[in-house]
Amino acid sequence: SQTIHQWPATLVQPVGSPLSLECTVEGTSNPNLYWYRQAAGRGLQLLFYSIGIDQISSEVPQNLSASRPQDRQFILSSKKLLLSDSGFYLCAWSPPGLGVETQYFGPGTRLLVL
Amino acid sequence: AQKVTQAQTEISVVEKEDVTLDCVYETRDTTYYLFWYKQPPSGELVFLIRRNSFDEQNEISGRYSWNFQKSTSSFNFTITASQVVDSAVYFCALSENNYGQNFVFGPGTRLSVLP
Repeated sequence: SQTIHQWPATLVQPVGSPLSLECTVEGTSNPNLYWYRQAAGRGLQLLFYSIGIDQISSEVPQNLSASRPQDRQFILSSKKLLLSDSGFYLCAWSPPGLGVETQYFGPGTRLLVL
Repeated sequence: AQKVTQAQTEISVVEKEDVTLDCVYETRDTTYYLFWYKQPPSGELVFLIRRNSFDEQNEISGRYSWNFQKSTSSFNFTITASQVVDSAVYFCALSENNYGQNFVFGPGTRLSVLP
């Protein structure tokens, strides 16, 4: 069966510091991968998605970037965090292909920027 | 453009009551998919159901049931005999038949089931 992992679970970082959040998927090959952000009390915003290694699409221009160095690894990064980057970051995967597939979510990372 | 509306921001019910969570969507596509996810306090989104636009049959899974009506662009979710463990934020989502990546989530409905 497929599983998705995210770490760290919680992170407190000062403004201006770098960020690296990691997401890995097991039990599947060539998944579609996604990064979402959920601000406090609000819905989900799609940040990035990837249909393959080094193939990243950005949905919203921002202070963040994403990379996919391996098939089942998706990394969310920032060179300098802003206060507005605080939120709950969720990674998701869906079966490979370009059709509509159900997305399955990881446990999330709570990021607080102070 | 796609849009999902969940007009109920918060709902509180007493255990064993039935509760319906509303979802209204907008899309110009004739082929699309609708989803419901549950987000318990732990934060992880749990997939509940997926329905494509050609299948208007209502679905029942245990205490959960879904009512899909294309005529009113609604995909409502009913929990029968609610339990405390049902307390969570519930999200409705829509994806059109174009590259699956374009998931649009509603703002969510926070359900509190009181003992």
